[in-house]
Amino acid sequence: AQKVTQAQTEISVVEKEDVTLDCVYETRDTTYYLFWYKQPPSGELVFLIRRNSFDEQNEISGRYSWNFQKSTSSFNFTITASQVVDSAVYFCALSEANSGNTPLVFGKGTRLSVIA
Amino acid sequence: DAGITQSPRYKITETGRQVTLMCHQTWSHSYMFWYRQDLGHGLRLIYYSAAADITDKGEVPDGYVVSRSKTENFPLTLESATRSQTSVYFCASSLDGYEKLFFGSGTQLSVL
Repeated sequence: AQKVTQAQTEISVVEKEDVTLDCVYETRDTTYYLFWYKQPPSGELVFLIRRNSFDEQNEISGRYSWNFQKSTSSFNFTITASQVVDSAVYFCALSEANSGNTPLVFGKGTRLSVIA
Repeated sequence: DAGITQSPRYKITETGRQVTLMCHQTWSHSYMFWYRQDLGHGLRLIYYSAAADITDKGEVPDGYVVSRSKTENFPLTLESATRSQTSVYFCASSLDGYEKLFFGSGTQLSVL
């Protein structure tokens, strides 16, 4: 069965620092999808990125970047030059495609606090 | 507006009462999901549905009932609410089971 581990429960950084949120996953499937979601203090869940298991290219979107490494089963998320608005809970999630369309399994989340 | 809506936004009930949380989506997505969010547990899947009249259990289905007679609606019923069901409940939909989820705004349920 698939599993997602976000070992960092809470992280606190000072504004403008870079921060990396770790995500380690477990799956037996060869085809799977990885996701990151953001949950700001207002409570809604905001989709950030989806990557499939065949695409190991790193992705950059503005101050956000994602490092996907199959060799270590990790899909880490880095925020460069953090801002107060980045304060949120961030969830990593995994979905398997080989064994039928399995719903997303989420990690427990990492709460990021960015201090001005 | 198109989207996914949940109601009510907040609900307080007593132990033993039946409660139904509503979820409606306007995208005609095949898949719909119910997750609960609790501190220290993240988001856990309660039930999901791949199409009308097809539902499946998730990780924490006990004490919950779902139905999906129409593609756009996926209500979640707590037949006899317990304090351990105090949580924030999120409904979501997607085109396919492994596509990105579109979440509703959540229902904050308190069982006293």
